[in-house]
Amino acid sequence: DIQMTQSPASLSASLGETVTIECRASEDIYNGLAWYQQKPGKSPQLLIYNANSLHTGVPSRFSGSGSGTQYSLKINSLQSEDVASYFCQQYYNYPPYTFGAGTKLELK
Amino acid sequence: EVQLVESGGGLVQPGRSMKLSCAASGFTFNNYDMAWVCQAPKKGLEWVATISYDGSSTYYRDSVKGRFTISRDNAKSTLYLQMDSLRSEDTATYYCARAYYGYDYFDYWGQGVMVTVSS
Repeated sequence: DIQMTQSPASLSASLGETVTIECRASEDIYNGLAWYQQKPGKSPQLLIYNANSLHTGVPSRFSGSGSGTQYSLKINSLQSEDVASYFCQQYYNYPPYTFGAGTKLELK
Repeated sequence: EVQLVESGGGLVQPGRSMKLSCAASGFTFNNYDMAWVCQAPKKGLEWVATISYDGSSTYYRDSVKGRFTISRDNAKSTLYLQMDSLRSEDTATYYCARAYYGYDYFDYWGQGVMVTVSS
């Protein structure tokens, strides 16, 4: 199984700041990576797929990058509505599809 | 608008069974693989099972193999998860999710249904 190591586990940032969340796969996943946002009490929502493609309707302040085993999610100009948990998921090699443990983003 | 609405959760005793349903609308259901993903309280996401668009192929995580069965009724645009021999560690919110064809990331999710396994 491919293991996904996500960091940091939690993050505190100010409005307008840029934040970056990292995800490392235990082997090459050839850009088969998605990022999800989960607001408190809500279901996950797709943000990014294929490592760097923005899902329909997602604000352009979200972006994804990376290759091989190292990937990142960047949020530019942090807004209050971005307070959420963020999860990465690999879908290159399955079963199983595997998720990172998540990053909880809070406002400073 | 894509909608996925789960039902069937609740409290169940260890060793008993429960069946979840997910009613889909707003897209051509039989064109898409579908999946169940769970989330234990205050924990991360865990993929449970996937079924192909026509029901011919199914995949399960190891911890539910032989206990859970994913199925679908394309005529009713409904996805199911039959959960047998339930354990306390199966306690979680279960989400129905649509898998984007060819890639299998999950592009739409339901609101989730809580399953509590406890005596």
